[in-house]
Amino acid sequence: DTAVSQTPKYLVTQMGNDKSIKCEQNLGHDTMYWYKQDSKKFLKIMFSYNNKELIINETVPNRFSPKSPDKAHLNLHINSLELGDSAVYFCASSQDWGSYEQYFGPGTRLTVT
Amino acid sequence: QKEVEQNSGPLSVPEGAIASLNCTYSDRGSQSFFWYRQYSGKSPELIMSIYSNGDKEDGRFTAQLNKASQYVSLLIRDSQPSDSATYLCAVTNQAGTALIFGKGTTLSVSS
Repeated sequence: DTAVSQTPKYLVTQMGNDKSIKCEQNLGHDTMYWYKQDSKKFLKIMFSYNNKELIINETVPNRFSPKSPDKAHLNLHINSLELGDSAVYFCASSQDWGSYEQYFGPGTRLTVT
Repeated sequence: QKEVEQNSGPLSVPEGAIASLNCTYSDRGSQSFFWYRQYSGKSPELIMSIYSNGDKEDGRFTAQLNKASQYVSLLIRDSQPSDSATYLCAVTNQAGTALIFGKGTTLSVSS
């Protein structure tokens, strides 16, 4: 069974489009995260949700909007995609807030053309 | 901006040798420290966590923490070609609200 899953695995789209990435965890964790890993492999936190509530929003453009329908799901919606949004997006989860043993999903490679 | 610094490498070691990976961090208030392994095209995988000064051993891996020097290291004994990957150091910020990653060290183990 996959602990943290993401769909789609690959996403190729044109500038200006709107797209969503879905994430689900079956670990029973309370906290979920979105990270962006750029072409230089730098992994940076974007958002963190604890029990469906936004905890961290790290200077991410307003075009990015996370949504957590329940604590097992954290989706990422991106409006008006730009070339610079091309990256690998990872979802992660941890047992609770303050427990930083985070477990990552397989990633979504987004390519904006 | 709080930072986590790692030598990007590549660090090349022969099979069976000890690989030593180093990390320094700037936030003196950091309390939790982690090492993740990331194979090319894959997601980061947690391999070690350490919370107090000293050494922590798990199989072939040993994490070392020195908070006074703001320094974390990972030793891999009896290195295997399967250990070839990028190793990411991660620390919590003082507020405990975020995990800050270094840019990673690429390790290459030759057989």
